[in-house]
Amino acid sequence: DTEVTQTPKHLVMGMTNKKSLKCEQHMGHRAMYWYKQKAKKPPELMFVYSYEKLSINESVPSRFSPECPNSSLLNLHLHALQPEDSALYLCASSQEGTRLTDTQYFGPGTRLTVL
Amino acid sequence: AQKVTQAQTEISVVEKEDVTLDCVYETRDTTYYLFWYKQPPSGELVFLIRRNSFDEQNEISGRYSWNFQKSTSSFNFTITASQVVDSAVYFCALSDSISSGSARQLTFGSGTQLTVLP
Repeated sequence: DTEVTQTPKHLVMGMTNKKSLKCEQHMGHRAMYWYKQKAKKPPELMFVYSYEKLSINESVPSRFSPECPNSSLLNLHLHALQPEDSALYLCASSQEGTRLTDTQYFGPGTRLTVL
Repeated sequence: AQKVTQAQTEISVVEKEDVTLDCVYETRDTTYYLFWYKQPPSGELVFLIRRNSFDEQNEISGRYSWNFQKSTSSFNFTITASQVVDSAVYFCALSDSISSGSARQLTFGSGTQLTVLP
């Protein structure tokens, strides 16, 4: 059973809506990640938080806004999305984020549809 | 630059057949880690194995086995006596010391869709 949980499982939103994706991990990890995955493609890294600080922002549009309230929680705030943002959004966590040996553990994902 | 190639886009086998998924990687580092993940239709990426560049011993876990060969930069994954539940997309990934910022990143291959037919 995964120890990384994500809510909601599915989300449908209009282009003018504001919504948030939530991720929680219960493994005591200090690094958390957001990925976007389109159909038949590998996951693409969006953001990395290490020790609650934004470590990597892979040139993601500002309509995606991450937040890390504490080392167990990670949010992704969505605003004014486009239909091409429809994808599976995956959250992951790892022990520290800086170590070569870190293994990322993924949550079940949120399937987002933007109308 | 790092690169992971999974040349097999889709593979179909009949249940109980053995199947091997290929993974070839490129890195300039001598220290790196390789991973395999399974993604069933439900969407979650499930971690299967991590192997470091200094350990070329093959590994077996139940019906799964992994063959790591540094000489050919390959880390292949074999499922013995495949089952319908093995149907999924399988990703090979690389983590090395070349990183952006202060966190390590995974370089994923494009994935192999495995379909096991009953």
